[in-house]
Amino acid sequence: GAGVSQSPSNKVTEKGKDVELRCDPISGHTALYWYRQSLGQGLEFLIYFQGNSAPDKSGLPSDRFSAERTGGSVSTLTIQRTQQEDSAVYLCASSPIGMRFYEQYFGPGTRLTVT
Amino acid sequence: KNEVEQSPQNLTAQEGEFITINCSYSVGISALHWLQQHPGGGIVSLFMLSSGKKKHGRLIATINIQEKHSSLHITASHPRDSAVYICAVRDFGNEKLTFGTGTRLTIIP
Repeated sequence: GAGVSQSPSNKVTEKGKDVELRCDPISGHTALYWYRQSLGQGLEFLIYFQGNSAPDKSGLPSDRFSAERTGGSVSTLTIQRTQQEDSAVYLCASSPIGMRFYEQYFGPGTRLTVT
Repeated sequence: KNEVEQSPQNLTAQEGEFITINCSYSVGISALHWLQQHPGGGIVSLFMLSSGKKKHGRLIATINIQEKHSSLHITASHPRDSAVYICAVRDFGNEKLTFGTGTRLTIIP
């Protein structure tokens, strides 16, 4: 079946502009995760959704970052007033229920470049 | 906050060699994950373990909860195993992963 998809695959934006990154999880997966991988740095957790709720937003780096999930499916990560330090690969993953019971499946990522 | 350290950072080996990658963490966890990131960037979950040992094909993962340490072993390594291997830990009661910085493995034919 189809895996996790993300769009766009690449996004170049000017500093100060807003961007929206989209994640389509595997159908039926209730858990959804956003991560960020900056150049030369490791992966970092951003936010976790269970259904449409976000029980853990602790990784969002500032209030310029927000995310929502609708219909228990598609999720959008929004970055307002982008800064150069926001340049990174943003990865989405989904899991059938959650990682306590199942592994997670990663999407291909969106490479964001802020100029 | 859990600190996750991996060693080595980089590893180059000849095809056929037995490979070991290590991961240590500072605070007790509910589970540890091993991930593989291919040169193109795609990430695959290899193992999720909370105790003992798991095996999948040529890959073996072990964890020692008392010592807060895990190892990933690759037997009969092959050039297609070349990738970055990432260790991540999950604390009790949540779904948040804390990641190590990864080990870049290169297998030379």
